[in-house]
Order: sequence, then C-alpha cells, then structure tokens
Amino acid sequence: GIQVEQSPPDLILQEGANSTLRCNFSDSVNNLQWFHQNPWGQLINLFYIPSGTKQNGRLSATTVATERYSLLYISSSQTTDSGVYFCAVEAGGSTLGRLYFGRGTQLTVWP
Amino acid sequence: DAMVIQNPRYQVTQFGKPVTLSCSQTLNHNVMYWYQQKSSQAPKLLFHYYDKDFNNEADTPDNFQSRRPNTSFCFLDIRSPGLGDAAMYLCATSRDGRGYEQYFGPGTRLTVT
Repeated sequence: GIQVEQSPPDLILQEGANSTLRCNFSDSVNNLQWFHQNPWGQLINLFYIPSGTKQNGRLSATTVATERYSLLYISSSQTTDSGVYFCAVEAGGSTLGRLYFGRGTQLTVWP
Repeated sequence: DAMVIQNPRYQVTQFGKPVTLSCSQTLNHNVMYWYQQKSSQAPKLLFHYYDKDFNNEADTPDNFQSRRPNTSFCFLDIRSPGLGDAAMYLCATSRDGRGYEQYFGPGTRLTVT
C-alpha cells in the first residue's frame, strides 16, 4: 500500500510560536486529509486537501500532489493546539476510499 | 447538526466475553468504516461497508465482525476479545467511496480485563 511519512514525530513549542508539519506520500492520491486528535481521542477534521492551498483561521495547509507532499501550518500556536496531528491519504488507484494514516506528529504547546 | 455518534464511549469487557460497539450517523452517507487505534499508533482500517456491500481488510482477524442493518447504523462485534484487542475503535463515514472526505465519530475506548 501507499506509504505516508510525517515529520517531525514530536514538536514542542512556546505559546505564540509558528510551526510547520510535513506529510510525504509515496504515490498519487485521490484524497488527503489532516486531522487533529484531541485528548479524548476524537479525530477532528482540519482540512480535506488533495491538492492546492486552504486556510482556516490560524491554520493553513498546502498539498503539492505532483511532488507528493503536504504541509500543515499552525500560526500563533495556543495550548489548545496540543495533541496529535495525523495526515491520511487515499491512494490514487483506490475505489474504496481506504485511508492510510501517517504515524502522526505529537505537538505540545506550553504557556 | 449532522454527525457520527458512537456508543458507548467507554466499554470494559472480560477476556473472551463478546462485545458489540455501535455507530450511527445522521449524514446519510453511503460508506461506513471501522478503524482500530492502539495506544500511540495510527488508526488502522478493519473493514467498511459501501451501502450493503461488506469489504474486509485482508489482515483483519476473524474475531472481528460487522453488521450494517440500515444506512444509519453499523455495529462492530468482537466475538472473543483478547487483551490485545484493547484499543480505541473509531467509526467514520463518507458520502461515497473514492475521493470523498471522511468524518469520524468520537470513538469507543475498549478495555479488556
């Protein structure tokens, strides 16, 4: 199956700092989603972004499908941004919508 | 608001005692998925339903079964839970299979004693 690699695995920031999370994938994709897993375990949809750039408040994401990577930008980080960020992709040849997840980036934001 | 609901949020079962987890959705989506997430790992797809068609992942143990009696509900049955089945179980839906955004429920955290 398609390989999904996220970096960095861990990130520790002071409140107010900016950060960039990266997701590399090994094949063409139909779908790419970024999720934030909150402390209770729920996966919160951040972006559905198989290509292009989107922004939502302090968060933005860019996917360059031809170069097989996506970036998630967090600006002016807050303690509530802490948690695990997952990138998940659906392989281009898939007909079933199966998502492959990366191992995630554990973000800790200190006050 | 349209959503994906999972019950219960926390489930404790005994080794070998069958357990059923429930997922419902008000999105009227065609596809429902079950993922297993063990501690500090990424979610892993167990199986999914495209409408009434069941699709099992090749490495999903036979101990795990699923039912989808109607569009809104989907159940995960673990016939004989082992200690290794303790995990978060996440239900997700998408409007259609290929290329559509998936929406996740809050999950059920299963403990096996």
